Amino acid sequence: SAVISQKPSRDICQRGTSLTIQCQVDSQVTMMFWYRQQPGQSLTLIATANQGSEATYESGFVIDKFPISRPNLTFSTLTVSNMSPEDSSIYLCSVDRGIYGYTFGSGTRLTVV
Amino acid sequence: QKEVEQDPGPLSVPEGAIVSLNCTYSNSAFQYFMWYRQYSRKGPELLMYTYSSGNKEDGRFTAQVDKSSKYISLFIRDSQPSDSATYLCAMSVVSGNTGKLIFGQGTTLQVKP
Repeated sequence: SAVISQKPSRDICQRGTSLTIQCQVDSQVTMMFWYRQQPGQSLTLIATANQGSEATYESGFVIDKFPISRPNLTFSTLTVSNMSPEDSSIYLCSVDRGIYGYTFGSGTRLTVV
Repeated sequence: QKEVEQDPGPLSVPEGAIVSLNCTYSNSAFQYFMWYRQYSRKGPELLMYTYSSGNKEDGRFTAQVDKSSKYISLFIRDSQPSDSATYLCAMSVVSGNTGKLIFGQGTTLQVKP
């Protein structure tokens, strides 16, 4: 199955600042997905990142708050902008492996103080 | 009503017990069904992936899908303390080349030695 490297693994940030999370996949993929997992909750899709086009955001998530880059078929970044304590969550990237299902990175645990 | 419903538990069983985890869903367009295991401070790990009604077995794990009832299950035989984790069901609809996952809330399982 795919190997996804995600970093940083955790960070503590001041409110009002921004954090960029990186996701590197060991092979080329068309789409990459970014999820948020709030404390004690399940995973919620933030956006789908397609190489060469604008990311598609889910209801409740906007580009100004969560800008995404997808410069090539193995890499993507998610930025959490102008952070508040409500943004404290685990952020995960994922790729679709077809018949092998979806693979997830180990996540970035973000705490905003 | 959520698209995917899953009892969050927690569920506590003795070692060696048979565990049954369940999810119901409302969207009849879901085509692909997955079970993920998530250990504390880790990303979700794919356990089972199926797309048809019926049973699929892999070692001690059996995934069951009943599309007519919109109900899926995961059975764990001979449960072990190492099975203690959160189990998430997930489903997807493939439209074009987009296949986002919708997750259940997750069930926390504890297997006691």
